[in-house]
Amino acid sequence: GAVVSQHPSRVICKSGTSVKIECRSLDFQATTMFWYRQFPKKSLMLMATSNEGSKATYEQGVEKDKFLINHASLTLSTLTVTSAHPEDSSFYICSARGTGSDYEQFFGPGTRLTVL
Amino acid sequence: GQNIDQPTEMTATEGAIVQINCTYQTSGFNGLFWYQQHAGEAPTFLSYNVLDGLEEKGRFSSFLSRSKGYSYLLLKELQMKDSASYLCAATDSNYQLIWGAGTKLIIKP
Repeated sequence: GAVVSQHPSRVICKSGTSVKIECRSLDFQATTMFWYRQFPKKSLMLMATSNEGSKATYEQGVEKDKFLINHASLTLSTLTVTSAHPEDSSFYICSARGTGSDYEQFFGPGTRLTVL
Repeated sequence: GQNIDQPTEMTATEGAIVQINCTYQTSGFNGLFWYQQHAGEAPTFLSYNVLDGLEEKGRFSSFLSRSKGYSYLLLKELQMKDSASYLCAATDSNYQLIWGAGTKLIIKP
């Protein structure tokens, strides 16, 4: 099956710093990538959808200046949490959808962000 | 609005069978997914149904009724490693996934 990687898997940072999370599709081209956030014991919350070469579409309530998304190539999307604060601590998961699929999303392993 | 409902938590015994139900309301419908998620890990794909009926895949089966907006995931011969959250997600007319809150399945010996 298709493989999606995420880096880093865990990150701890100080309040006020920025953190970049990378999402890569390893064996397929991902025309669309999705960024999710998940709080403990809660379901996935879609933050934004990004298509290669165009601006990301953010869900209502998600600050685009706070969560910068770049989908520069068909295999890489990045999420940068700018000026992180403790309330940004969460599990961030990316998923990717290939060119040949209208439905299935392949998930990365997730990134646990802790902001002190 | 769009909505997915599934039980918050279920408990079952090792070796038994459990059925996790999911009802959905979406703007358009392009299929329903079931994902398994272990604590601290990303979801992994279990099944996809777009037509009515039962899809069997080993110990796991998934059922869909489009007219009723209803699906279930059936797990047979439960093993301790099946303890996880099971997420139901329906795809709307834009192929966007609408997620349920997940059902935490606890397996007891």
